[in-house]
Amino acid sequence: SQTIHQWPATLVQPVGSPLSLECTVEGTSNPNLYWYRQAAGRGLQLLFYSVGIGQISSEVPQNLSASRPQDRQFILSSKKLLLSDSGFYLCAWSGGTSEKLFFGSGTQLSVL
Amino acid sequence: TQLLEQSPQFLSIQEGENLTVYCNSSSVFSSLQWYRQEPGEGPVLLVTVVTGGEVKKLKRLTFQFGDARKDSSLHITAAQPGDTGLYLCAGPNTNAGKSTFGDGTTLTVKP
Repeated sequence: SQTIHQWPATLVQPVGSPLSLECTVEGTSNPNLYWYRQAAGRGLQLLFYSVGIGQISSEVPQNLSASRPQDRQFILSSKKLLLSDSGFYLCAWSGGTSEKLFFGSGTQLSVL
Repeated sequence: TQLLEQSPQFLSIQEGENLTVYCNSSSVFSSLQWYRQEPGEGPVLLVTVVTGGEVKKLKRLTFQFGDARKDSSLHITAAQPGDTGLYLCAGPNTNAGKSTFGDGTTLTVKP
């Protein structure tokens, strides 16, 4: 069966520090991978998605970047965090043309 | 841009009551998905509706897709505290591989 792992679960970082969140998927090949950000109790904003290794599409201009160094690995990064980067970050995958998304357990990021 | 509007934004009811939440759009979607999310966790897929007018049941939850495939509803019968959570609807964007999400309905079921 397919599983998705996302870590860390919580992170507190000072303004101006770097960020690296990692997500890996097991049990499937060539997944579509996504990074979403969610404000408390609200809907999901798509940040990045990837249909293959090295292929990244950015949905909104921001202080973040994403990379996909391996087929089932997706990384969200920042060189210098801003206060506005605080939020709940979710990694997700889908298969082929399926519209069904499977989410990781999320990372609560607090930038202080 | 395809938008999904969910209502109500917040709903607080007593255990045993029935409720309906809505997901509406001015755009046609090829399908709609419903997810439930608990605090501090990722959303979990509940159901996908594909055909206009389709009704799907998942225990006490009934999902309906509008005839024109622009809206959907979720009805919960005899709500339980375990139904508490954020209910999100989503639909595939016109660009393949991406989904549009509504802002969700936060449901609280009090014992």
